[in-house]
Amino acid sequence: EEQLLESGGGLVQPGGSLRLSCAASGFMFGSYAMYWVRQAPGKGLEWVSSITSNGGSGGTTYYADSVKGRFTISRDNSKNTLYLQMNSLRAEDTAVYYCAKGVPWLLDAFDIWGQGTMVSVSS
Amino acid sequence: DIQMTQSPSSLSASVGDRVTIACRASQSISNYLNWYQQRPGKAPKLLIYAASTLQSGVPSRFSGSGSGTDFTLTISSLQPEDFAIYYCQQTYTTLRTFGLGTRVEMK
Repeated sequence: EEQLLESGGGLVQPGGSLRLSCAASGFMFGSYAMYWVRQAPGKGLEWVSSITSNGGSGGTTYYADSVKGRFTISRDNSKNTLYLQMNSLRAEDTAVYYCAKGVPWLLDAFDIWGQGTMVSVSS
Repeated sequence: DIQMTQSPSSLSASVGDRVTIACRASQSISNYLNWYQQRPGKAPKLLIYAASTLQSGVPSRFSGSGSGTDFTLTISSLQPEDFAIYYCQQTYTTLRTFGLGTRVEMK
């Protein structure tokens, strides 16, 4: 069974840092683009960041304007793990953070999602 | 960036009703349009990809249509488990934007 499991969320002060992890199992992790999506309390889904598979473009990264320059997405295919390094955190970064797998033959739709990890930014 | 606009933002319906949700892209996205369902406290679930293709395991009462800029999600006969929030998403560009969602509530 294909699964994603996020960890690393918690309470952090404004200006602080946090690193989220997403452990993948049940599929060839290195062959798929991976994504982070967040959802602020009571709000909708916001795409945060993407990293391509190692084939072709070799782990190219993309970011939403709201996190560019502060967040860094990366992957360790040997550990089947996706990461999101979050620096200079702001109150507006408070959200549940989901990782998701994109499938090229589904026109990059996100077919598998983790259960989410909560990040709270507050003093 | 491509903006995705969903309408309505919420609707009230009864079990057995036919429900239609619209999604409009700010520029043409061909058929790079996906629909997700999110139940309270749960992760989103892929329902439809490529505008009209049902994801494996999704009931056939769900259907999608459209191309270019205008898309619709239809639930032919609403079931109790369908009361949820529905999101459209474009994957035409590298910035994978979502619509703001449509809440389907019980009348």
